[in-house]
Amino acid sequence: GAVVSQHPSWVICKSGTSVKIECRSLDFQATTMFWYRQFPKQSLMLMATSNEGSKATYEQGVEKDKFLINHASLTLSTLTVTSAHPEDSSFYICSASALAAGTDTQYFGPGTRLTVL
Amino acid sequence: KNEVEQSPQNLTAQEGEFITINCSYSVGISALHWLQQHPGGGIVSLFMLSSGKKKHGRLIATINIQEKHSSLHITASHPRDSAVYICAVSGGGADGLTFGKGTHLIIQP
Repeated sequence: GAVVSQHPSWVICKSGTSVKIECRSLDFQATTMFWYRQFPKQSLMLMATSNEGSKATYEQGVEKDKFLINHASLTLSTLTVTSAHPEDSSFYICSASALAAGTDTQYFGPGTRLTVL
Repeated sequence: KNEVEQSPQNLTAQEGEFITINCSYSVGISALHWLQQHPGGGIVSLFMLSSGKKKHGRLIATINIQEKHSSLHITASHPRDSAVYICAVSGGGADGLTFGKGTHLIIQP
């Protein structure tokens, strides 16, 4: 089946630093990639939708200048948390929609746990 | 915006029991997903439904579009089924998912 990887799987950083998270579709081309985050004991929330070669669409309340998304190819999207603060500590998950399977099929990455000290 | 409600929030059962988790949503959708999240956080997609019923091993998912309701059933439950089960819906096209809060399932030996 389709595989989506994320790197790193976990990261600890100091407040004020920037962290980049990669999301790759390993064996298929992804038209669209989605970024979600999950705070402890809460449900996942969509942050942004990323289409290859175009600007990401951010959900209400998500700062686009803080969460920079780049989708440079059909197999790679990156999320950069700029000037991270402790309140950004969360579990970040990406998913990818496969071109061939239709845009409703989403394959999830394993997630990245970010802790900001 | 779609509101997704799941019940129950928590469920503890004995090994072998038949498990049902319910999901309702407020606005018409193009597809409903059932996901499984283990303690480490990783998510596995179990089903994607737009109508009817699907079965995979001991898991069965049904959806009633008119009633905006879906159920996930687990037959002959096993401790390894212990996880958080999440219902999510999409509006179609390139929409991201809207998630329920999840059902925390524990199957005791």
